[in-house]
Amino acid sequence: EAQVTQNPRYLITVTGKKLTVTCSQNMNHEYMSWYRQDPGLGLRQIYYSMNVEVTDKGDVPEGYKVSRKEKRNFPLILESPSPNQTSLYFCASSYKPTPGTGGSPLHFGNGTRLTVT
Amino acid sequence: GENVEQHPSTLSVQEGDSAVIKCTYSDSASNYFPWYKQELGKRPQLIIDIRSNVGKKKDQRIAVTLNKTAKHFSLHITETQPEDSAVYFCAASKGGSSNTGKLIFGQGTTLQVKP
Repeated sequence: EAQVTQNPRYLITVTGKKLTVTCSQNMNHEYMSWYRQDPGLGLRQIYYSMNVEVTDKGDVPEGYKVSRKEKRNFPLILESPSPNQTSLYFCASSYKPTPGTGGSPLHFGNGTRLTVT
Repeated sequence: GENVEQHPSTLSVQEGDSAVIKCTYSDSASNYFPWYKQELGKRPQLIIDIRSNVGKKKDQRIAVTLNKTAKHFSLHITETQPEDSAVYFCAASKGGSSNTGKLIFGQGTTLQVKP
């Protein structure tokens, strides 16, 4: 089944303890992106990648790192999590480097709910 | 950078009535405008999209209109049903030679359809 898989679905951690949220897609998609969803703020883009070894900052990259060593994987790394990073995180991917180009919509994973205490 | 404003933040309608959600964008180079529906506890899913060379697009009970001059686009849902209750997000991006790889979302609209 074609899908975007995020792990874990739920994560509770403490301030300063490094964590990684994994994201994997099995659709051979060029583009991958991370968003965070907060009430009243919608979906805000953290980082995105238009190809292997190519990553760019979105609108809220502070406190996050990403890597794209392989086409299928795009992990989100929080080196020193803080309570303001408590949020619902979504990974997404699309076939073309530009979401929407040539009928290539953005596909979302199931989300990771992160709580930092 | 691009900014997308979405209104209203909440919308309550009676079953069978129409619902309209509006978005404005700031970057005149934006040329792709998708709408996503997010049911409670689930992932956002694309329901309809429109490109800047089209003024209106319809798919059964949902339609999207685009006014490039005013830089706004709207989602119209007719004959609403309880299963239309969800959070709806608009978004905007630039493709082609202006591509930045960014897809910017609005703040979301919570639609409640009362039976």
